[in-house]
Amino acid sequence: QKEVEQDPGPLSVPEGAIVSLNCTYSNSAFQYFMWYRQYSRKGPELLMYTYSSGNKEDGRFTAQVDKSSKYISLFIRDSQPSDSATYLCAMSAPSNTGKLIFGQGTTLQVKP
Amino acid sequence: SAVISQKPSRDICQRGTSLTIQCQVDSQVTMMFWYRQQPGQSLTLIATANQGSEATYESGFVIDKFPISRPNLTFSTLTVSNMSPEDSSIYLCSAGTGEDTQYFGPGTRLTVL
Repeated sequence: QKEVEQDPGPLSVPEGAIVSLNCTYSNSAFQYFMWYRQYSRKGPELLMYTYSSGNKEDGRFTAQVDKSSKYISLFIRDSQPSDSATYLCAMSAPSNTGKLIFGQGTTLQVKP
Repeated sequence: SAVISQKPSRDICQRGTSLTIQCQVDSQVTMMFWYRQQPGQSLTLIATANQGSEATYESGFVIDKFPISRPNLTFSTLTVSNMSPEDSSIYLCSAGTGEDTQYFGPGTRLTVL
């Protein structure tokens, strides 16, 4: 079993839809949770960072962490064609000395 | 945030040769890492680049194949040695100052013939 599981998709939605992206994990020591966006032929770009549990909002993006269920989510409101990319969840533990464990990535396509 | 550049952005190499990839960060960072991303796959950590000492390698990666240097807080190199077609991949450098955030370079797309 992988430490971090993420549905690879692809996920296709119409413009304006609410998108929900999810990851589950098995290591209860994870405390730091990140979402990266990666456009084709580009490096990953940090979108959201959350420490421990709770919600964090930034514009159209909301990150949620539920440590009791070992489940994290990224919501995208009013999705745009420019949101079409691969979304990677990543997490780390204080003992990991900064090493990130990545999910497989979900490919999202937002159709105009 | 940190801005990270990598050189070269892409290369096509012959089997048996070596390629050195450079990573430059625009500010001093505590940690630098090297990842590999194979087509359609997620990121796999190769090693942590330690300033002034030997890199810390993950399981499945060895120093003879992927020697890494980090002479200061803003620069690191990764060499892919004695390349084979299986080494064709995207190699990414990342940098951070703690457990929380890491920023990535644009990647080096390597094709080995």
